[in-house]
Amino acid sequence: QQQVKQSPQSLIVQKGGISIINCAYENTAFDYFPWYQQFPGKGPALLIAIRPDVSEKKEGRFTISFNKSAKQFSLHIMDSQPGDSATYFCAASIGGGGNKLTFGTGTQLKVEL
Amino acid sequence: DTAVSQTPKYLVTQMGNDKSIKCEQNLGHDTMYWYKQDSKKFLKIMFSYNNKELIINETVPNRFSPKSPDKAHLNLHINSLELGDSAVYFCASSQGSRLSGNTIYFGEGSWLTVV
Repeated sequence: QQQVKQSPQSLIVQKGGISIINCAYENTAFDYFPWYQQFPGKGPALLIAIRPDVSEKKEGRFTISFNKSAKQFSLHIMDSQPGDSATYFCAASIGGGGNKLTFGTGTQLKVEL
Repeated sequence: DTAVSQTPKYLVTQMGNDKSIKCEQNLGHDTMYWYKQDSKKFLKIMFSYNNKELIINETVPNRFSPKSPDKAHLNLHINSLELGDSAVYFCASSQGSRLSGNTIYFGEGSWLTVV
């Protein structure tokens, strides 16, 4: 049972464009929603995270939009750069990041020149 | 210095062998984890330890046994390796297991190939 569904599986965006990755969750007890970025040969690294009491969080070119009623959240990467090419994972947990994270299936992003 | 370090990075071994992966974190965190990433890049938690105490044990075969000699180390021992154990194993750590929003820091992974 996949508790966090992520789409698309892969995404190609032109340099300077907007990359959008979507996630949907089922468990309404989830209260922490991070996004992780993983480069080839490396471990995942936290990119940005949000709690359900806010609808949007922005850090530099990265924005999370959160829709609690729809049980959906998305990552927007503005002005996408070739260096953003990586695999992105959404995740969710109950009680914060210290408890087990349930990951989405990942989105492989390629930003072309 | 690497915050979460794990060894070996690559491991190729035959079916039926026993192998261990070691993990150390120098962040002063009290919670450590093992995650498994399969060939489709799906990440799933296996174990979590808080101050050397097992707090999460997902449905992992008994052939997998974590050991935490102290809160800075969490090793993973795998007995009787099977082909399906081939994956990337990530060690991770965070400060606290109950506080909300604590960042989990991952190591660079150990690529296990069972032949």
